[in-house]
Amino acid sequence: SQKIEQNSEALNIQEGKTATLTCNYTNYSPAYLQWYRQDPGRGPVFLLLIRENEKEKRKERLKVTFDTTLKQSLFHITASQPADSATYLCALRNAGNMLTFGGGTRLMVKP
Amino acid sequence: DGGITQSPKYLFRKEGQNVTLSCEQNLNHDAMYWYRQDPGQGLRLIYYSQIVNDFQKGDIAEGYSVSREKKESFPLTVTSAQKNPTAFYLCASSFLDRTSGNTIYFGEGSWLTVV
Repeated sequence: SQKIEQNSEALNIQEGKTATLTCNYTNYSPAYLQWYRQDPGRGPVFLLLIRENEKEKRKERLKVTFDTTLKQSLFHITASQPADSATYLCALRNAGNMLTFGGGTRLMVKP
Repeated sequence: DGGITQSPKYLFRKEGQNVTLSCEQNLNHDAMYWYRQDPGQGLRLIYYSQIVNDFQKGDIAEGYSVSREKKESFPLTVTSAQKNPTAFYLCASSFLDRTSGNTIYFGEGSWLTVV
């Protein structure tokens, strides 16, 4: 069966450090992968999309990598700030052309 | 402003009642979706619609119903058949073209509590 796995344990890091979140998937052959940010009690907000032929994508302090051989995407936030504290979700399009979300990883950046 | 509007933000339902959550978008998106999120959990797809007057069941459609009479509107009814309806409900929409990656835009969500 298709699975998208994100670390369910919260990631706690110190302000200024780089946060790295992992998204692993099985039984998908995604054309692209997306990352979203969700604040408590709010809807998720789209951050980045990376296509299967792209190894890396950057947007300001964000960097996403996509390894279709390892079936893994890494999401990095450099020079992290307390305002980056949120839950981050990865998402893949399944065979039915619907977007399926991972369970998300909560990031806590301490000042 | 363009966006997705969900209402109400908070809703209480008595046992045996049907309730309807409203979702309107003015982004001219083709597709609309309803997701359910339980505390500390990921998003699960309830229903989706890619065109007016047509919709498909998602992973957890039992106990829910939808309609898509207008492109802009996709209301969700939580029926009395849904045994555990207390959750956070998210409406979303997207274009369907591959160039956009079908990026999904979400509303602010509706909290439903059974009392």
